[in-house]
Amino acid sequence: DAKTTQPNSMESNEEEPVHLPCNHSTISGTDYIHWYRQLPSQGPEYVIHGLTSNVNNRMASLAIAEDRKSSTLILHRATLRDAAVYYCILRVFEYNNNDMRFGAGTRLTVKP
Amino acid sequence: NAGVTQTPKFRILKIGQSMTLQCTQDMNHNYMYWYRQDPGMGLKLIYYSVGAGITDKGEVPNGYNVSRSTTEDFPLRLELAAPSQTSVYFCASSLLIGETQYFGPGTRLLVL
Repeated sequence: DAKTTQPNSMESNEEEPVHLPCNHSTISGTDYIHWYRQLPSQGPEYVIHGLTSNVNNRMASLAIAEDRKSSTLILHRATLRDAAVYYCILRVFEYNNNDMRFGAGTRLTVKP
Repeated sequence: NAGVTQTPKFRILKIGQSMTLQCTQDMNHNYMYWYRQDPGMGLKLIYYSVGAGITDKGEVPNGYNVSRSTTEDFPLRLELAAPSQTSVYFCASSLLIGETQYFGPGTRLLVL
């Protein structure tokens, strides 16, 4: 199974951009890159996902390297509420696949 | 629209006791999942269901049982609680396979 590698922790200042990296050097052509985050004492929540092209939504942007071996989740202006553990997950979009494997993720600390 | 709800929020069990963790979703999702999360770790899939009457094992099913008699409910049963089952349990649902999963707030279980 393709795996992801993320830094254990990162820090950011409030209202500054944050770039959260994820390496996935063994990604296959059918793997989608998903990001979830988990706020303290809550269940994970979906952030964004993409396949090849960069993606934007109201929460974040996802920049995917041309070779797809790495990606970066971008929070344009971090707020205190963005302090969470961020998970980068590879998922195959196929009928029988329920395999969403969470690693340890990156713990983001946002300083006021 | 409450999304995914879980009860109880917290429970202490003695070794060998049994209990059922409840999960309900009101989004008419076909797919439902149970995960466990040990301290400092990512989530691991216990069981999942693709519809009423159909369930299948995930990554860590030993010591657990599930049933799915309705679209809305997906209870998780622990028959003989063991200290190794001390964890936070999350239920999730999705409309289609491979799509965004929506998580409940979790049940914290302590087995002593």
